[in-house]
Amino acid sequence: NAGVTQTPKFQVLKTGQSMTLQCAQDMNHNSMYWYRQDPGMGLRLIYYSASEGTTDKGEVPNGYNVSRLNKREFSLRLESAAPSQTSVYFCASMSHLEQPQHFGDGTRLSIL
Amino acid sequence: QQQVKQSPQSLIVQKGGISIINCAYENTAFDYFPWYQQFPGKGPALLIAIRPDVSEKKEGRFTISFNKSAKQFSLHIMDSQPGDSATYFCAASKHGAQKLVFGQGTRLTINP
Repeated sequence: NAGVTQTPKFQVLKTGQSMTLQCAQDMNHNSMYWYRQDPGMGLRLIYYSASEGTTDKGEVPNGYNVSRLNKREFSLRLESAAPSQTSVYFCASMSHLEQPQHFGDGTRLSIL
Repeated sequence: QQQVKQSPQSLIVQKGGISIINCAYENTAFDYFPWYQQFPGKGPALLIAIRPDVSEKKEGRFTISFNKSAKQFSLHIMDSQPGDSATYFCAASKHGAQKLVFGQGTRLTINP
């Protein structure tokens, strides 16, 4: 069982470039999430999708867009990358209303 | 708005000792309190969780203590081992809610 798969694992971008981070889960979960992890800040929710076809903003949505492509896939897009978006990004999924959330292994993104 | 405050940020414990990490929350509607464990290069994974109808939950060497009146909960790791070295996150959510609110994280190092 793969669980939650994120691609790519590492990426370096220049300021102003765009990029899409991909996430797929094979657990038939309804809910999917995107977080960013920064030192001393914990995990902060960027966007989430409670079910296919719906998305909602989290705590830090500015500068990001998301697409819930189907039940399995939830992508995160940076339209014009900024150095402040240098972070480790985690995707997670959860069965509807049933904790816990299951996390992927992250995408390490550096923006120069 | 940090709704869950975690301390300490880092902790060093000798092998065989007790590791204690504390969290405090503000929202009295929270009723699910998990702890996640994260190893370097990996995503967080659920370690143990508690609901407020009990004051303590134990799984092997890991124990959550919960104080509803003080709005605090803590993770105790007994007989700490070098393999326990990781980052630990507390979190909280409301029943039926899609979202978790995470603490800032504690980097735990167990010296051999």
